[in-house]
Amino acid sequence: GDSVTQTEGQVTVSESKSLIINCTYSATSIGYPNLFWYVRYPGEGLQLLLKVITAGQKGSSRGFEATYNKEATSFHLQKASVQESDSAVYYCALRGYNQGKLIFGQGTKLSIKP
Amino acid sequence: DPKIIQKPKYLVAVTGSEKILICEQYLGHNAMYWYRQSAKKPLEFMFSYSYQKLMDNQTASSRFQPQSSKKNHLDLQITALKPDDSATYFCASSQDWINQDTQYFGPGTRLLVL
Repeated sequence: GDSVTQTEGQVTVSESKSLIINCTYSATSIGYPNLFWYVRYPGEGLQLLLKVITAGQKGSSRGFEATYNKEATSFHLQKASVQESDSAVYYCALRGYNQGKLIFGQGTKLSIKP
Repeated sequence: DPKIIQKPKYLVAVTGSEKILICEQYLGHNAMYWYRQSAKKPLEFMFSYSYQKLMDNQTASSRFQPQSSKKNHLDLQITALKPDDSATYFCASSQDWINQDTQYFGPGTRLLVL
C-alpha cells in the first residue's frame, strides 16, 4: 500500500537558520498522488500548511515551500530562515488517486533555538 | 468560532464499555472522515463518508461503527472498548470526496481506556 516516510522525529534549528524536513513517499495506486504538509502548533489543531496536486510543481505558504519530485518520490519541506513561531509538529501526507484517505508520515517536531 | 466540533474533548472509559464520539462540522462540506492517532504512531485513517454514505473503511474491527444522522454529523461508536483503543480520535471534513480537496481537522477527542 501507499506510505509516507519522515526520517527525523525531531529537529532543532537555530533561529534565522535554514530548515529542511525530509519526506519521501511510495504510491502504488494508479495516477499520481496529491501531497500535503500539515502542521500542529502547540495547543492548536492540525491545519494545512501547503499542498501540491501536480507532479513537478512547488507549493508555498508562510515562508515554507515544498516541491513535488516524482522521480525521487520526495516532498521535502524547506524554509530559508526559521522563527521561534515555527515551532510545531509537521506532518507530510499523501492522498492517492481517487481515494478518500490521507496517509500521514510520523511527524517531525521542530524546535527553534533562540 | 470552531468550524469542526468534537465532543467530548477528553474521555475515560473502562474496558468492555461502549462510547460515542461526536463530530459536527459547520463548513458546509459533503465529505467527512475519522482518523486515529495512538501514542508514537502516525495519524491513521479509519473511515470516509460522502453525502452520508460510506466510501472507505480501513478499520478491521466491527467494534468501530460510524453513524451519520445528518449531513454535517459523523459520530463514531466504539463498543467493547480495549486499552489498545486509547488514542486521540480526529474528525475531518472536505468540500467533496475528491483527491484535490483539502481536509480540515477537528481538535480531537482523547480517549483513555482503563
